[in-house]
Parts: sequence; C-alpha cells; structure tokens
Amino acid sequence: QITLKESGPTLVKPTQTLTLTCTFSGFSLSTSGVGVGWIRQPPGKALEWLALIYWNDDKRYSPSLKSRLTITKDTSKNQVVLTMTNMDPVDTATYYCAHNSRQRGFDPWGQGTLVTVSS
Amino acid sequence: SYVLTQPPSVSVAPGKTARITCGGNNIGSKSVHWYQQKPGQAPVLVVYDDSDRPSGIPERFSGSNSGNTATLTISSVEAGDEADYYCQVWDSSSDRVVFGGGTKLTVL
Repeated sequence: QITLKESGPTLVKPTQTLTLTCTFSGFSLSTSGVGVGWIRQPPGKALEWLALIYWNDDKRYSPSLKSRLTITKDTSKNQVVLTMTNMDPVDTATYYCAHNSRQRGFDPWGQGTLVTVSS
Repeated sequence: SYVLTQPPSVSVAPGKTARITCGGNNIGSKSVHWYQQKPGQAPVLVVYDDSDRPSGIPERFSGSNSGNTATLTISSVEAGDEADYYCQVWDSSSDRVVFGGGTKLTVL
C-alpha cells in the first residue's frame, strides 16, 4: 500500500522560503518509471501542478514558478523536498504530494497541508 | 502553452448519466487522467490513460478520448458522486503537467 504525507510550516511570512517534505512508503523512488509530484490548490480554486521528480533524478517544474522552485529527493529516507522562495499571500494554498507515473498520473495523493502566507 | 478546458459545472439527477468534458488541442493524442475531489479531501484518481479504472473504482466511471475532447462518463449517478472532477495530461511539447480547471458535479 502506497502512502504519502506532507509536512512543513502552516504559516510563513511574505518573502520567506517555504520548505515542504513529502514522506512516503510502499514504493521506492529508485524504481524505474516512478516519480513524486507536488500540486497545490488555493482555497476554493483549481489544482495547480508545481514540480515533479523522477527515479533517475530528472526534474520538471511549472514554467510560471520555475525560478522559485527546487525539488530534491532522498531515496534512503523515502522523502521528497520542495522549496519555494519569496513566498507571497497568493501562495496560500493546500500543498499536496503524490506518487506519479506517466501511465497512471498521480495516484495516490497525500492528505495535503495548508500553508498560509501572512505577516 | 497547452490548455485544458472543462465546464465549470454539470448537474444531473440521481440514476442518470453525467458526462464531463475536457477540451484540448488534439487531446486525443495524449493520455488523459481524471480525478475526483470531494470537499475537504485530497483528489482521487478515478480514470487513467483515457479509459482505465484503478482498482476499487466502480464500473460506473468510464472515460473516452478522441479528437479535441476527452469525456468522463458517470452512469447511474449517486449522491455520493457529487464532487469536483479534474482532467490532467502530460504535455510533451512543453514537458509539463497540465490540469483542467475542474468541473463541479451537482446531483440534483
């Protein structure tokens, strides 16, 4: 059974850097074809893809946020970390991580973590 | 950039069939995934690769994809199907994930 869980601060100040950790079990991020992605959802709004990292350390970013995002993995700890710099109130959202494969999309998802950006 | 267009809302009576569309340029050439999101919950994959169902998803959920439109069909709709539904593709030309804007399914 695959599970993922997001962790990190619930409140950050404008201009600060957000660091979120996705801790997973039930799969290995060293298995060919496997990836972990980050997706966010502002309150009452649609899903927005942020970043994706693959088993071979290949990384992909949302073009609109690429300059602010970094995704890394620690295979030995079964963790994926997302950092987002220069946080703004418009970045207030629930942030999800999810297991990914090209054939099956994002499945399953973590429970999500709400991050509020406010001074 | 590649755009997926979904109707904001679809309404259907219980027991009827709901069809939720996802429009995109030549989307028929891409693999489309569909997610269901109920209030306060994380999204759940209900259809992948256009028309396949993950284990545990009822046969009432089906998908199709051709030309410029992909469709999620929910037959014999139940009150518990009321949720937001999102389509998603991988755009190989720009190397990125694309989500549709979501459709709110209301069961009357």
